[in-house]
Amino acid sequence: EDQVTQSPEALRLQEGESSSLNCSYTVSGLRGLFWYRQDPGKGPEFLFTLYSAGEEKEKERLKATLTKKESFLHITAPKPEDSATYLCAGTNFGNEKLTFGTGTRLTIIP
Amino acid sequence: DGGITQSPKYLFRKEGQNVTLSCEQNLNHDAMYWYRQDPGQGLRLIYYSQIVNDFQKGDIAEGYSVSREKKESFPLTVTSAQKNPTAFYLCASNRDGASPLHFGNGTRLTVT
Repeated sequence: EDQVTQSPEALRLQEGESSSLNCSYTVSGLRGLFWYRQDPGKGPEFLFTLYSAGEEKEKERLKATLTKKESFLHITAPKPEDSATYLCAGTNFGNEKLTFGTGTRLTIIP
Repeated sequence: DGGITQSPKYLFRKEGQNVTLSCEQNLNHDAMYWYRQDPGQGLRLIYYSQIVNDFQKGDIAEGYSVSREKKESFPLTVTSAQKNPTAFYLCASNRDGASPLHFGNGTRLTVT
């Protein structure tokens, strides 16, 4: 059974303090690994798709990386507006369904 | 602007009543999905549809029903058979299984 596990559950950082969020997956035949950002009371917003080990993608202060077993979302010099829940999800070649992790709730303190 | 519209944002119902949540998209996507989100749990798939007039059960379909009569619309009915219906419901769409999902802003359903 496909499984996606995110850690930590919650992370509090000072503004400017860089860190990483982890997403480990056991998805047989990974087709794609997705990162989303979710603000309270809103739907998730797409950030990145990663398809193969070694791939990296960047957007502003965020960089996503992928290995054969896990993905990291690195946040560099975060600002309070980066506070949100970050969700990771994987899909395999066998079906059209995404398996989601439970998310990391990130709080950036000014 | 293209996107997904869910309505209403908040919905209150008495136990035993069926309720229908609306989802409309103007992204011209073939596939549409309904997810349920509960605190401390990942998004769980209720139903999905890859083409008009066809849909499949997801992981937690019991107590729910859907229809897909038009490409743009994928309404979800929460029936009285759903044992724990209070949750945040999210509708999503994508072009195909490898593409990112686009989400609506959700409907928060409270059943008392």
